[in-house]
Amino acid sequence: QKEVEQDPGPLSVPEGAIVSLNCTYSNSAFQYFMWYRQYSRKGPELLMYTYSSGNKEDGRFTAQVDKSSKYISLFIRDSQPSDSATYLCALLSGGYQKVTFGIGTKLQVIP
Amino acid sequence: SAVISQKPSRDICQRGTSLTIQCQVDSQVTMMFWYRQQPGQSLTLIATANQGSEATYESGFVIDKFPISRPNLTFSTLTVSNMSPEDSSIYLCSVGPGKSNTEAFFGQGTRLTVV
Repeated sequence: QKEVEQDPGPLSVPEGAIVSLNCTYSNSAFQYFMWYRQYSRKGPELLMYTYSSGNKEDGRFTAQVDKSSKYISLFIRDSQPSDSATYLCALLSGGYQKVTFGIGTKLQVIP
Repeated sequence: SAVISQKPSRDICQRGTSLTIQCQVDSQVTMMFWYRQQPGQSLTLIATANQGSEATYESGFVIDKFPISRPNLTFSTLTVSNMSPEDSSIYLCSVGPGKSNTEAFFGQGTRLTVV
């Protein structure tokens, strides 16, 4: 079993839709949770970072963590064509500084 | 956040040759990381580069194939040696997480094609 599972997609949605991106993980030692956005031919860009269970909101983006279910989500409201990218979840345990990445979900927002 | 400049952004190389990728950070950092991103796969950590000591390599990666330099706290290089088509990938340098932050920041990547 992989430490982090993420559906690679692709996921196509119409402009304005609410997008839900998800990862599940198996290692309960993960304490820090990040979401990255990666445009084609670019490096990953940090979008959201959270530590505790619950929701964290930043503009149109909401990161949600459920440690009891080992499930993390990223919601994008009012999706725009400029949101078309690959979204990677990333997890970090407290005791070691190696980041574990999901495979990334490719999102396409259609005008 | 850190600003990371990586070059070259892309290259096409002949098999059997070597390519050195440079990574420059706009602030001093203790640890720098090198990743490989192959199509359809997660980012895979190649090695961790600490200034003043040898790099620490992950399972499946060896120093002879991926020598790393870390001459100071703002700069590192990764060399892909004796390249084969299987080395075609995106290579990324990263800073963080570290003692003062848990986030990781990336350069724009080097897209390598070996022919």
